[in-house]
Amino acid sequence: AIQMTQSPSSLSASVGDRVTITCRASQAIRTDLSWYQQKPGKAPDFLIYGASSLQSGVPSRFSGTGSGTDFTLTISSLQPEDFATYYCLQNYNYPYTFGQGTRLEI
Amino acid sequence: QVQLRESGPGLVKPSQTLSLTCTVSGGSMTTRGYYWSWIRQHSGAGLEWLGYVHHTGNTYYNPSVKGRLTILEDTSKNQFSLKLNSVTAADTAVYYCASERWFDYGSSTGFVSWGPGILVTVSS
Repeated sequence: AIQMTQSPSSLSASVGDRVTITCRASQAIRTDLSWYQQKPGKAPDFLIYGASSLQSGVPSRFSGTGSGTDFTLTISSLQPEDFATYYCLQNYNYPYTFGQGTRLEI
Repeated sequence: QVQLRESGPGLVKPSQTLSLTCTVSGGSMTTRGYYWSWIRQHSGAGLEWLGYVHHTGNTYYNPSVKGRLTILEDTSKNQFSLKLNSVTAADTAVYYCASERWFDYGSSTGFVSWGPGILVTVSS
């Protein structure tokens, strides 16, 4: 199975900061990567697909880049509601695998 | 966008079978390009994809649970189900059902819609 490594595992930031989370795949996955936001006690929310395509309704401060093995999720100006845990998912081949998560906290 | 909701018992005894149902609303399971998955999350931990079913009945299971897992579809009810047998405490987790859309050009979106999740505890 493809291994997905996210970094950092946790990140402290402030409202208004620009933050970047990275995700590395153990083999090339084209742009078959998606990003999710999860708040405590809730199901993950779908943010980005195809490494860089924003899901409808997701604020434009979220963006994604990358292809092959290296990917990033950037939040351009943190808002209070953005403090959550973020996961990447390789949806290139089965079994799909998630990164271990990045906890974004104040 | 479809909505999904998991249902089933919240407590299962060790060695028994964990059975959950996902009810899909706001769209049909037979919609072209859609696949239907189960995903779980152990307490305080990350996400583990378990397997999918397509409305044609095709399935794929994660090797981590292969041999114990069965996912079935019932398109007449717009539902799909999970059966995980021989459970142990290690199967205690929140279980989610989710939808995935495949584009004609051979790429997937990932998991577009998720149910709210259901906590299943394996304990005697």
